Amino acid sequence: SQQGEEDPQALSIQEGENATMNCSYKTSINNLQWYRQNSGRGLVHLILIRSNEREKHSGRLRVTLDTSKKSSSLLITASRAADTASYFCATVGNQGGKLIFGQGTELSVKP
Amino acid sequence: KAGVTQTPRYLIKTRGQQVTLSCSPISGHRSVSWYQQTPGQGLQFLFEYFSETQRNKGNFPGRFSGRQFSNSRSEMNVSTLELGDSALYLCASSLARTGRGNTEAFFGQGTRLTVV
Repeated sequence: SQQGEEDPQALSIQEGENATMNCSYKTSINNLQWYRQNSGRGLVHLILIRSNEREKHSGRLRVTLDTSKKSSSLLITASRAADTASYFCATVGNQGGKLIFGQGTELSVKP
Repeated sequence: KAGVTQTPRYLIKTRGQQVTLSCSPISGHRSVSWYQQTPGQGLQFLFEYFSETQRNKGNFPGRFSGRQFSNSRSEMNVSTLELGDSALYLCASSLARTGRGNTEAFFGQGTRLTVV
C-alpha cells in the first residue's frame, strides 16, 4: 500500500514556467527519493534527500523536506516539453529494505 | 556502465499459466528489488534480494516468488496467473540494500505482462 500522497495528481503548464509537486508521507523515514517515469517505462532516479537534510538542488530541480510535517516538494524550474512525465516520491523507512511510492503527479509541459 | 536489464520487455500469457521474469542488475550491485505497477494500485513492492537471500517481502500472495543467483541476477516467478496480475513489473538494483547508506535505486525498463 502507498504511504505517500502526492498532489496535484495532474499538472499542466507552459514551457518556461515552474512546476511544483508535493508529497506527504505517514511514518518516519530514512530518506526520500524522487523519480520520473515516461509513458509507463522505467523509473529514472532524480534526487535523494536524507532525513537530516532540508533542501537539495540538482540542476533545475529543487527538493525540500519537512520531517515535522512529513512532507516534501519537488520544484522544476524553467520547465521544458521534455519534462513531461509522471513524477513519484518514494520513502525509505528507518529499517530500509523497500521504497514506498506515492501515487504520482502527471506533469504535462506544453510547448 | 550498462544499466539494469529486464527481459522480456513484453509478455502475453493465458490465465492459469506461469511466467518467469528476469533482471540483470548493474555490475557490482548486490541488491535487487521488484515492484509491480498497475493503474489501480500504483507502484507496490514485491521483494528485495541481497546476497542471494530474500530480505524483505511485500504483501503479495504466495503465487509470487523470486530468487537471486550468485552473480546477483534475479528472477521472479508468478504461478497460476490471474487477470489482475497484468502489470508492469519493474526491477531495481542498488549497491547496498535499499535505503541503507542512503543508496539510490536504479530501475530497469520493466516487463509488461498481459494476462488474457
